[in-house]
Amino acid sequence: DQQVKQNSPSLSVQEGRISILNCDYTNSMFDYFLWYKKYPAEGPTFLISISSIKDKNEDGRFTVFLNKSAKHLSLHIVPSQPGDSAVYFCAAYKRSQGNLIFGKGTKLSVKP
Amino acid sequence: EAGVVQSPRYKIIEKKQPVAFWCNPISGHNTLYWYRQNLGQGPELLIRYENEEAVDDSQLPKDRFSAERLKGVDSTLKIQPAELGDSAVYLCASSLTTAWDTEAFFGQGTRLTVV
Repeated sequence: DQQVKQNSPSLSVQEGRISILNCDYTNSMFDYFLWYKKYPAEGPTFLISISSIKDKNEDGRFTVFLNKSAKHLSLHIVPSQPGDSAVYFCAAYKRSQGNLIFGKGTKLSVKP
Repeated sequence: EAGVVQSPRYKIIEKKQPVAFWCNPISGHNTLYWYRQNLGQGPELLIRYENEEAVDDSQLPKDRFSAERLKGVDSTLKIQPAELGDSAVYLCASSLTTAWDTEAFFGQGTRLTVV
């Protein structure tokens, strides 16, 4: 049973527009949520995180929103750039377990 | 600062053969993870070390997989014998465990193909 779900395997966006990547989770006990970005033939790289006690975290063009009642988080990229084209993984962390649980990823394509 | 280093980058072996992967984490990081990523899936934890102690190996198939982290620094992951279903990318990650820092840094991974 998947605890972290990314239901959209792919997303295509025009350069300059907003990209919204979604993630749902089932366990209300997670302490942190993280987004990782992965280019082909490379390992995932950390992008942005949010604590479970917050509802928004912003870093430049990237903003993560957390809706705890809906067990849903989203990553907004504004404006989207062709270099943002990659696979984005949502991950959740519970301090008592000390492990990241990943979703299956969403492949973002930003077209010039 | 050097990141997490893994070797080899690619490995092709015949089934039933042994294979080993090596990981050098970021200096000072006491937590080390081995993840396996199958095609079209997210990474899944195999084993987590705190210093030299394996604190979570519940997902490690112990009949054929083994891991060690001598002196709490480098780590090796071994498969013996390999099966066709072991074909995947094996990712090593490390983190500095604190109350507020949960970020894990990943290496480039080892892509294993079992034929």
